[in-house]
Amino acid sequence: SAVISQKPSRDICQRGTSLTIQCQVDSQVTMMFWYRQQPGQSLTLIATANQGSEATYESGFVIDKFPISRPNLTFSTLTVSNMSPEDSSIYLCSVEVGVSEAFFGQGTRLTVV
Amino acid sequence: GENVEQHPSTLSVQEGDSAVIKCTYSDSASNYFPWYKQELGKRPQLIIDIRSNVGEKKDQRIAVTLNKTAKHFSLHITETQPEDSAVYFCAASRRDDKIIFGKGTRLHILP
Repeated sequence: SAVISQKPSRDICQRGTSLTIQCQVDSQVTMMFWYRQQPGQSLTLIATANQGSEATYESGFVIDKFPISRPNLTFSTLTVSNMSPEDSSIYLCSVEVGVSEAFFGQGTRLTVV
Repeated sequence: GENVEQHPSTLSVQEGDSAVIKCTYSDSASNYFPWYKQELGKRPQLIIDIRSNVGEKKDQRIAVTLNKTAKHFSLHITETQPEDSAVYFCAASRRDDKIIFGKGTRLHILP
């Protein structure tokens, strides 16, 4: 298993500003994932973050808007840049342990005003 | 890429009855099929999973079946209880690859 600490747990931000979300894992993992979840909706994958290489973004998500860092095997950050109200959502980091079992952080509830 | 369809989007069952949620996937190379339960305001948590080399797996009141030929898999919850009320997500992935989630099923257990 894996224990994931994600912060902040929630934030209210002004439009046009940026927020960086941090994700710390208690063990070394190869891949970390960032998801977005609108209230009552499914989990949409934003990008996959591998240590030592550029993140791989899914269709509809770009690096300029969601820059990701992965400085080591236990830590990653996701930045939501130049925020607008449409970015209000829950953002979750995830890691896969063993053969694909995913564990999630507790999520960051972002409100953009 | 992989596409996972999940039905129904909402399901209400009487306490004590069974609930069934069905999913289909598109990528024949997918070989891992987990199910996640998400309670209100909490993170998704794995409740059961199945790999492509088996057709069925059971854990107490929860079971999952997989039909690789038809590319569909199902979650079965028997003797439902109030604490089973939650949103359930099916998912599919290849080994060491990203997990793609279905849109979720909101399960209501009626008293």
